[in-house]
Amino acid sequence: TQLLEQSPQFLSIQEGENLTVYCNSSSVFSSLQWYRQEPGEGPVLLVTVVTGGEVKKLKRLTFQFGDARKDSSLHITAAQPGDTGLYLCAGRSPVFNDMRFGAGTRLTVKP
Amino acid sequence: KAGVTQTPRYLIKTRGQQVTLSCSPISGHRSVSWYQQTPGQGLQFLFEYFSETQRNKGNFPGRFSGRQFSNSRSEMNVSTLELGDSALYLCASSLNVGTDTQYFGPGTRLTVL
Repeated sequence: TQLLEQSPQFLSIQEGENLTVYCNSSSVFSSLQWYRQEPGEGPVLLVTVVTGGEVKKLKRLTFQFGDARKDSSLHITAAQPGDTGLYLCAGRSPVFNDMRFGAGTRLTVKP
Repeated sequence: KAGVTQTPRYLIKTRGQQVTLSCSPISGHRSVSWYQQTPGQGLQFLFEYFSETQRNKGNFPGRFSGRQFSNSRSEMNVSTLELGDSALYLCASSLNVGTDTQYFGPGTRLTVL
């Protein structure tokens, strides 16, 4: 069982649609990070959320950290083909003190 | 400010050989972490270095090792390569050890034949 569970695993939508990706855990995290990764490249940091209940916006992307700091969501408004990629959430394991990643959500936005 | 650089970008080796991968962190960043990414297992933590000392190690066999130099540059070595070692190896840098916000390099794609 992954420390961070992401859903859905795959998402294929049309340009202009909205979507939400979830990252859930039974553990409490001091912070969570969201990354986007394109094929053959390293993950690119999108945001770090630190405070329970925090909402951060990055253009059409809205990130939320759960009140209990166990979960997070990423909402994309009016998705564009350039949003296509693998979205990963990450957090430091409170037990092992190493960074753990979710399995990712592979998003495809069709023009 | 230049990002994290990794060399080489691509590498093909045969079983039993060894390989060394290199990583240069963002200027001013003192912590370097290494990850292995495969389609089946996703991103898995290998080790974290700070001030030339390994601070944490993931659940990988002893064939995987690393080191960090005084200028914060890091190398990882895999000895006696196995087919299952084929993966994208990613290096990430952060300001200090235990800092959760990390910046990744483009990775080294290792193929073991």
